[in-house]
Amino acid sequence: AQSVAQPEDQVNVAEGNPLTVKCTYSVSGNPYLFWYVQYPNRGLQFLLKYITGDNLVKGSYGFEAEFNKSQTSFHLKKPSALVSDSALYFCAVRGLNRDDKIIFGKGTRLHILP
Amino acid sequence: DTGVSQNPRHKITKRGQNVTFRCDPISEHNRLYWYRQTLGQGPEFLTYFQNEAQLEKSRLLSDRFSAERPKGSFSTLEIQRTEQGDSAMYLCASIPGGVETQYFGPGTRLLVL
Repeated sequence: AQSVAQPEDQVNVAEGNPLTVKCTYSVSGNPYLFWYVQYPNRGLQFLLKYITGDNLVKGSYGFEAEFNKSQTSFHLKKPSALVSDSALYFCAVRGLNRDDKIIFGKGTRLHILP
Repeated sequence: DTGVSQNPRHKITKRGQNVTFRCDPISEHNRLYWYRQTLGQGPEFLTYFQNEAQLEKSRLLSDRFSAERPKGSFSTLEIQRTEQGDSAMYLCASIPGGVETQYFGPGTRLLVL
């Protein structure tokens, strides 16, 4: 069965510092991996995805994520945090089978402190 | 704006009433998904359509829930005899064929009193 874990409910980072939001997954075979961001009372916005190829994926708003197959992780990173990055971040995974669904983590609330 | 739209954005209803939500996906996106999101959780899959065909329903979707996509364009999600446990954000997402990125609407927040 597919699953995704975001071990931190909340991450606090000072503005200008690097940030990391952690995600680990479990799926049979190779995964599709995604990060989405959600602002208050809004739907989810796509940030980036890993399908195949380079393990380091670059996405919107300066975010990037690294696919690590041996550790089954897909941590979200940004070199220098902005206050406007404060939001709820969701990691998601799906398998490559046609009938596989996207499974979302519980989310990590990111607070960037000015 | 040609993104995914959902109506209404907010709905307050009394327990036992029926409610219907609408989702208008991005034009020509052939796959459409419905999710439910409760506080402190990520979106949970409810059902999805490929064009007008409903291909899968989650076990979360009780008999009180029904979804349609009559012409393969917009979709409706109806909840009959609402219960307080149905209170949640209902999200719709669409995907163009052959691409895995989901484009989400703003959601409909349902409160059942």
